[in-house]
Amino acid sequence: ILNVEQSPQSLHVQEGDSTNFTCSFPSSNFYALHWYRWETAKSPEALFVMTLNGDEKKKGRISATLNTKEGYSYLYIKGSQPEDSATYLCAYYGGSQGNLIFGKGTKLSVKP
Amino acid sequence: DTGVSQDPRHKITKRGQNVTFRCDPISEHNRLYWYRQTLGQGPEFLTYFQNEAQLEKSRLLSDRFSAERPKGSFSTLEIQRTEQGDSAMYLCASSLAQRESDTQYFGPGTRLTVL
Repeated sequence: ILNVEQSPQSLHVQEGDSTNFTCSFPSSNFYALHWYRWETAKSPEALFVMTLNGDEKKKGRISATLNTKEGYSYLYIKGSQPEDSATYLCAYYGGSQGNLIFGKGTKLSVKP
Repeated sequence: DTGVSQDPRHKITKRGQNVTFRCDPISEHNRLYWYRQTLGQGPEFLTYFQNEAQLEKSRLLSDRFSAERPKGSFSTLEIQRTEQGDSAMYLCASSLAQRESDTQYFGPGTRLTVL
């Protein structure tokens, strides 16, 4: 059974704080790791697709790193803003199936 | 708006009734996926289509569930004889599938409540 773990489950920070989350995934048969941001009542929004060991991607104040050998990815948010409040999901793609395997997500709340 | 759309956004039904959900993918996307999310869990794969062909089905997809994509465009997901355990958010996604790892773009979901 392929398992994707995310930590922490939830996080409460003050506006301006920087924060990071972890996603652990199987290191075998790795093809890609996806990060999504899901705000309440909206569609999950694709943030990054990462495929290469050592990959680093950045989108504004959000960045992510990837270690495929040890099976983890970090998502960083610099200077959190209230609009960053959302659930952040990571999803592993192993190539032997057509679907993504999601973690349970990290719910971020940013207080003004 | 040219994103993935789903209809309805919310559905409340009584146990034992049949329900059908619709998904309209991004127009040029040939792959379409259905996922289900229950409380406290991440989205779980149900099934996916490449064009009109249903290529994979999860064990979660019991015989009360059926999905179609008759012309390779929109898709429907039907649940027969609904049970309270079917209460969940049903998400649809589409991708271009030029490469296996291409981004899947999600719709806003249909939230089903079975009373």
